[in-house]
Amino acid sequence: ETGVTQTPRHLVMGMTNKKSLKCEQHLGHNAMYWYKQSAKKPLELMFVYSLEERVENNSVPSRFSPECPNSSHLFLHLHTLQPEDSALYLCASSRLDRAGGYTFGSGTRLTVV
Amino acid sequence: EDQVTQSPEALRLQEGESSSLNCSYTVSGLRGLFWYRQDPGKGPEFLFTLYSAGEEKEKERLKATLTKKESFLHITAPKPEDSATYLCAVQEGGTSYGKLTFGQGTILTVHP
Repeated sequence: ETGVTQTPRHLVMGMTNKKSLKCEQHLGHNAMYWYKQSAKKPLELMFVYSLEERVENNSVPSRFSPECPNSSHLFLHLHTLQPEDSALYLCASSRLDRAGGYTFGSGTRLTVV
Repeated sequence: EDQVTQSPEALRLQEGESSSLNCSYTVSGLRGLFWYRQDPGKGPEFLFTLYSAGEEKEKERLKATLTKKESFLHITAPKPEDSATYLCAVQEGGTSYGKLTFGQGTILTVHP
C-alpha cells in the first residue's frame, strides 16, 4: 500500500457506458495527477490538479472528464469510450513545496469492449 | 519539449550478472531525475531522486548515477526478484506543479 488508493482495480465497460475511476490519498499532498499507460508507450500525463485547481489538460478527449472535489480525492469520469482507450490508468500525488517525485496508486486496468 | 529515452528496451540477465540501464534526457532546467520500479499490474514504485550531475544514490543492489545528459541504473549481482520494468523520469523547474516526463522503460528479466 503506497498511500494512494485507486478503485476499482479492474473495469470492463461497453462503449456506451458511463463509469468513474476514483483516487484517494491521505499523504498531505496538494497536487494530484492522472496518467495513462498503454503497452510499450511512456506514461502519458492526462490531467494535473494543483491545490484543487486544474492546471493542465494535456489534449485529452472530452470523453474523459476529471473532478477534484478536495485535495484528497480525484475522479476520472468516463463516457462513450473507444476500444483504444483500454489501458492502465494511474493516479499520483505529490507535494508542490518539496522537491521530489510522485507517489503512485496501483492503477485501474480499463478494458473497453 | 522535454524528452527521455531509455535503453535497452528489454534486458535479460542471469542471476549474478551485473549490468546497467541507460536514461538519456533533454530538459529545460533539470529539477530532478527519478527512477521508478514497476511490477506487472501495479503502479510505479519510487526508487531514487538525483538532482545534480555527479550525484550517486544506492539501495541494496541498485546504484543510480547522473551526468548532464544521462543517468545510469547499475544493477550488481541481480536476483530474480529484481525482475521488473524500470522507469526513468525528469522534472523540469519551469512548471509550478513539477511535471514529470517519463521514458518508455526497460523491462528487466533476471533468470535463476
